[in-house]
Amino acid sequence: IAGITQAPTSQILAAGRRMTLRCTQDMRHNAMYWYRQDLGLGLRLIHYSNTAGTTGKGEVPDGYSVSRANTDDFPLTLASAVPSQTSVYFCASSELAENTEAFFGQGTRLTVV
Amino acid sequence: GQNIDQPTEMTATEGAIVQINCTYQTSGFNGLFWYQQHAGEAPTFLSYNVLDGLEEKGRFSSFLSRSKGYSYLLLKELQMKDSASYLCAVKDSNYQLIWGAGTKLIIKP
Repeated sequence: IAGITQAPTSQILAAGRRMTLRCTQDMRHNAMYWYRQDLGLGLRLIHYSNTAGTTGKGEVPDGYSVSRANTDDFPLTLASAVPSQTSVYFCASSELAENTEAFFGQGTRLTVV
Repeated sequence: GQNIDQPTEMTATEGAIVQINCTYQTSGFNGLFWYQQHAGEAPTFLSYNVLDGLEEKGRFSSFLSRSKGYSYLLLKELQMKDSASYLCAVKDSNYQLIWGAGTKLIIKP
């Protein structure tokens, strides 16, 4: 089934640890995104990639890094986790950055303790 | 700054009609999206408006007025499964989605 897959589904992480959230899509979409969703706030963009080989910073990039070595994969790394990074993380993709709808992965619920 | 406003919560009765409003102020406009998100799940696409007017898709319709920075999502013949959060989002001049906090819709029998 075509779509976008995230791993892990949930994780409890000790503060100070490094963690990579994985995201893979098989729709050959050019653009990919990482969002975090916190209660009472809208989805906030962390990083994005409009095409393989390029990345950009979103609204809340601090403490996170991404890479886009190929079309399908867009991992998000927390170099040294802090409790404020406790959130639900969604990866999304769209055919083009310009105007098409975004498809979302099922989310990763991350708790930093 | 950029801002998307929508009501935090609404309640409606099964079989009725409900209108969820969204107002926006963004740097540029490249379309407005509505997404549905059930609790614990990912957002799923409902509608897209880039020109003024009404877009109808089954029980759901979405309206846009660019001059007023305003949109609404209209849900007809409400069903219990429509209980969810409805997210309004605008693509700005950089083609990035700016999201509202979402409206939690509670459907009562």
